[in-house]
Amino acid sequence: AQSVSQHNHHVILSEAASLELGCNYSYGGTVNLFWYVQYPGQHLQLLLKYFSGDPLVKGIKGFEAEFIKSKFSFNLRKPSVQWSDTAEYFCAALTGGFKTIFGAGTRLFVKA
Amino acid sequence: DGGITQSPKYLFRKEGQNVTLSCEQNLNHDAMYWYRQDPGQGLRLIYYSQIVNDFQKGDIAEGYSVSREKKESFPLTVTSAQKNPTAFYLCASSIMGGNYRPLSGANVLTFGAGSRLTVL
Repeated sequence: AQSVSQHNHHVILSEAASLELGCNYSYGGTVNLFWYVQYPGQHLQLLLKYFSGDPLVKGIKGFEAEFIKSKFSFNLRKPSVQWSDTAEYFCAALTGGFKTIFGAGTRLFVKA
Repeated sequence: DGGITQSPKYLFRKEGQNVTLSCEQNLNHDAMYWYRQDPGQGLRLIYYSQIVNDFQKGDIAEGYSVSREKKESFPLTVTSAQKNPTAFYLCASSIMGGNYRPLSGANVLTFGAGSRLTVL
């Protein structure tokens, strides 16, 4: 079955630390990949997406993600986190049709 | 402003009762979805609909039912057959871009604020 795995369920960082959240998907064909973010008290929203082309994609608020096809990975990165990045982050994959599959989520807490 | 409205925000239900969650969108999106969010499990797809009067089961459809009589509305009924209904329910919509079409915004989900259902 198609699935999305996120490596860490909880991450605690200090401000200015670098962030990398792991995401792997299980599907051998063409895939669309996403990172969504849910800030406290806000709607789940798109952070960035990969459909095709340059495997390094940039999103809002300085986030970026790299699609590595050989590793079935789509890790999220940010060079220097801020307190306002505290949120829950979801990796997701669309492998066909209209079924977007989500990972379990990673709760990030950034200490001021 | 365009968006998705879910109601109610909080709902309490006694065991054995059916309950209907409302989802309305004014984005003119063709596709609509219902997800269930449980701690540590991410979002799981319950039902989705690509066009009016048509919908498909997702991964956890048992104990749920939906209808799509209007493009802008996609209500979800949690029936008494759902064994563990206490959860956070999210409605979403998207432009119907088809498989892998690189249209801006296609297949990107727009979410509502959610409805939290608690069974007493």
